[in-house]
Amino acid sequence: MQLVESGGGLVRPGGSLRLSCAASGFVFNTFDFNWVRQAPGKGPEWISYINTGGDDTYYSESVKGRFTISRDNAKNSLILQMNSLRAEDTAVYYCAREWVVPTIGFDLWGQGTPVIVSS
Amino acid sequence: EIVLTQSPGTLSLSPGESVTLSCRASQTISSSFAWYQQKPGQAPRLLIFAASNRATGIPARFSGSGSGTDFTLTINNLEPEDFAVYYCQQGNNWPRNTFGQGTKLEIK
Repeated sequence: MQLVESGGGLVRPGGSLRLSCAASGFVFNTFDFNWVRQAPGKGPEWISYINTGGDDTYYSESVKGRFTISRDNAKNSLILQMNSLRAEDTAVYYCAREWVVPTIGFDLWGQGTPVIVSS
Repeated sequence: EIVLTQSPGTLSLSPGESVTLSCRASQTISSSFAWYQQKPGQAPRLLIFAASNRATGIPARFSGSGSGTDFTLTINNLEPEDFAVYYCQQGNNWPRNTFGQGTKLEIK
């Protein structure tokens, strides 16, 4: 079982990035997923959630209106579209699988993809 | 937003010792509560969910307890691989959730 993120990189303030998370080794469409980010030297910060069908989503206040989570169950992939990026969005971004709904616990994480927002 | 405060910030211990890490919530929360271990350059690893249930493959020396605003993670007989940063997480308003700022467990 694994999750592999991609799409991170260096972007200027105000720019956009699209992160992907490819899942393998388990039945993707039976799990809810989250995006979590971690700034250098800081604890993790939850930013978004999506349910199995992709029709129920949540966002933290820090990214609401700028980021969009989606999934393609046919392709076993999770997406995070990030717009209007700011310096404070600089972090390693992880996709994480929800283990036991509705109690909290992310049992499978990707290796992370770094996002740097700088001019 | 519910704030989780972990204490202490850093602990220095030796292998073989036991330790209890604390996490206090800013308000009473449910048992939707988890603990993670993170090593440098790695993603967090789920240790405990629902406050006291060990995740798959987690050794019995790890145990979680607590309710209300105070939660603890106990590690008995520390192994060299246990020295890492530990984070708590609450999901009282699931799926919204927050993490603590972490406790670093270092080798004395």
